[in-house]
Amino acid sequence: KQEVTQIPAALSVPEGENLVLNCSFTDSAIYNLQWFRQDPGKGLTSLLLIQSSQREQTSGRLNASLDKSSGRSTLYIAASQPGDSATYLCAVKSGANNLFFGTGTRLTVIP
Amino acid sequence: GAGVSQSPSNKVTEKGKDVELRCDPISGHTALYWYRQSLGQGLEFLIYFQGNSAPDKSGLPSDRFSAERTGGSVSTLTIQRTQQEDSAVYLCASSLFGGSFEETQYFGPGTRLLVL
Repeated sequence: KQEVTQIPAALSVPEGENLVLNCSFTDSAIYNLQWFRQDPGKGLTSLLLIQSSQREQTSGRLNASLDKSSGRSTLYIAASQPGDSATYLCAVKSGANNLFFGTGTRLTVIP
Repeated sequence: GAGVSQSPSNKVTEKGKDVELRCDPISGHTALYWYRQSLGQGLEFLIYFQGNSAPDKSGLPSDRFSAERTGGSVSTLTIQRTQQEDSAVYLCASSLFGGSFEETQYFGPGTRLLVL
């Protein structure tokens, strides 16, 4: 069964810093990998989706990379802002039907 | 609406009662998924619908849990004889095709269930 791990579990950084969130997965046979953001009391917002054939995706200040062979992905956030404070979830689609989620990294950006 | 909607947003119930959670997917999406997020744990898959049929029910934790989908749209997740360990956020997602397609799943805001 696919297992997804996210490190660190929590992270606090001062505003303006660049930061990296890590995700690892045990089964490299994946269809895609997604990074989500979850705000307290709200649902999940998809940030970036990387197809299995891709190495990275970028959206604004966010850049996600995928190294399928080593079972790793990173989410890079540039010039962090207090509004970036949230829990970031990594999820892989390795079965045909469902996503396997990590337990998330809770990010706090301090003004 | 433009996104996935779920109702109720919050539900408090007594142990032993039955509850129904509703999901309205994005219009035109054929695939629908239910997940559960327990306190301090990651999201876990419950069930997947392709149209009105559920080819994958492997994540349902017990026979107290059931789900149906009608008209290829709205889905209802039913929990019978609720237990305290059922307390969690239940999230619904939909996608255009499902299956092995490399596509995004869009999530609703969730229903927060508390069983007293």
